[in-house]
Amino acid sequence: AQSVAQPEDQVNVAEGNPLTVKCTYSVSGNPYLFWYVQYPNRGLQFLLKYITGDNLVKGSYGFEAEFNKSQTSFHLKKPSALVSDSALYFCAVRTDYGGATNKLIFGTGTLLAVQP
Amino acid sequence: EAGVAQSPRYKIIEKRQSVAFWCNPISGHATLYWYQQILGQGPKLLIQFQNNGVVDDSQLPKDRFSAERLKGVDSTLKIQPAKLEDSAVYLCASSREGHYGYTFGSGTRLTVV
Repeated sequence: AQSVAQPEDQVNVAEGNPLTVKCTYSVSGNPYLFWYVQYPNRGLQFLLKYITGDNLVKGSYGFEAEFNKSQTSFHLKKPSALVSDSALYFCAVRTDYGGATNKLIFGTGTLLAVQP
Repeated sequence: EAGVAQSPRYKIIEKRQSVAFWCNPISGHATLYWYQQILGQGPKLLIQFQNNGVVDDSQLPKDRFSAERLKGVDSTLKIQPAKLEDSAVYLCASSREGHYGYTFGSGTRLTVV
């Protein structure tokens, strides 16, 4: 069964410093990996995805993520954090199996707090 | 393109009452999903529709939850009767057939008292 782990409930970082939000996954087959962000009282917003190709994926708002197959990880990164980046971040995975039953599985989320 | 629309945004009901949520997906999106997000947890898939057929409802508590997607467009999710543990945000999402990512609505926050 596929699963996603986000080992940190919360990440604290000072504004201007680099940030990393960790994600590891477990799937049978090739993974499709996603990061979503959720602001208070809002739905999930898509940040970026890895499907195939270059292991470094660039997304919205200056975020990027690196796919590491040997470590089964897909950590989210940003070179310089902003206070406005403070939100709940979710990693998600689905497999490359064909068919319509290919659902997205989410991690438990990591709260990012950026201090001014 | 317009996003995924959900209503209501908030709902407070007493336990054992019934409630219904509505979702209008992005036009042309064949697949529609309902997720339940309990506070402090990641979203959990309740049901997935492909056009107007159910593809996956393995985690839907069928004794109290039901969902339908008439004509392959709008969808409703119903809870009857509600329990305290149903308090959560209910998220609707849609995707194009064969597309990799989902677009989520803003969700309905349900509080059962």
